[in-house]
Amino acid sequence: AQRVTQPEKLLSVFKGAPVELKCNYSYSGSPELFWYVQYSRQRLQLLLRHISRESIKGFTADLNKGETSFHLKKPFAQEEDSAMYYCAGNGQNFVFGPGTRLSVLP
Amino acid sequence: NAGVTQTPKFRILKIGQSMTLQCTQDMNHNYMYWYRQDPGMGLKLIYYSVGAGITDKGEVPNGYNVSRSTTEDFPLRLELAAPSQTSVYFCASCGQGYEQYFGPGTRLTVT
Repeated sequence: AQRVTQPEKLLSVFKGAPVELKCNYSYSGSPELFWYVQYSRQRLQLLLRHISRESIKGFTADLNKGETSFHLKKPFAQEEDSAMYYCAGNGQNFVFGPGTRLSVLP
Repeated sequence: NAGVTQTPKFRILKIGQSMTLQCTQDMNHNYMYWYRQDPGMGLKLIYYSVGAGITDKGEVPNGYNVSRSTTEDFPLRLELAAPSQTSVYFCASCGQGYEQYFGPGTRLTVT
C-alpha cells in the first residue's frame, strides 16, 4: 500500500539553526513527491516537488531512493518558517503524511 | 481568480442530519479532490474526480457522496451525519501539473 510517514509531530528549533523535516515513503514504482506547507490561518500550498529540484524559501529536499526518503532541509531557520509541513506522494493516489509542526523559536 | 472556494466555513450538525459541502474552482482544472483532516492526523482522501461526470472513491469514502456535473463544482454530500465525521474538510483541484490548489477548509462538528 502507498504510504507516507513523517516521524515527528512537532519539531522546535531556534532561529538560525538548521532544520530537517523527515519524510519516508512506501510506494511501488516511482512516485512523485512533494512538500506542502500550511501557515497559520492559511490554506495548504505547495512548497516544492522533487522533480523540479529547486529551492523555495531556502528549503531543499532530495529524493533518496535507497532510503526511500524525501527529507526537507533548510540551513538557517527563520521565525516565519513556523508552520505545518506535509510530505505527499502521487502514485496511484495522492497520499499525504500526517504532518510535522515546525516551531522556530526566537 | 478566486482559486478554490469552499462553503460554509463552519457548521454544526446534529447526528442524523444531512448537508452538502460546496467546492468551486475557477481555474478550469480537471482533477478535484475532497480530503478530511482529523486532529493531529494527516489528510485522508475521501473522493476524487478526473473530470466532469467522473468520480471515484478514495481512502475513506463511507458516509459520503459526490457528484461532478460541471468542471467547476465538486460538492460533497454527507448523509446521516455521525460524530465520526467531525473533521476539517478540504477541497483541492489540480490542472496539467501535479500541484494541488487547496480551498480554505470547512470545519464540521457533529454532535
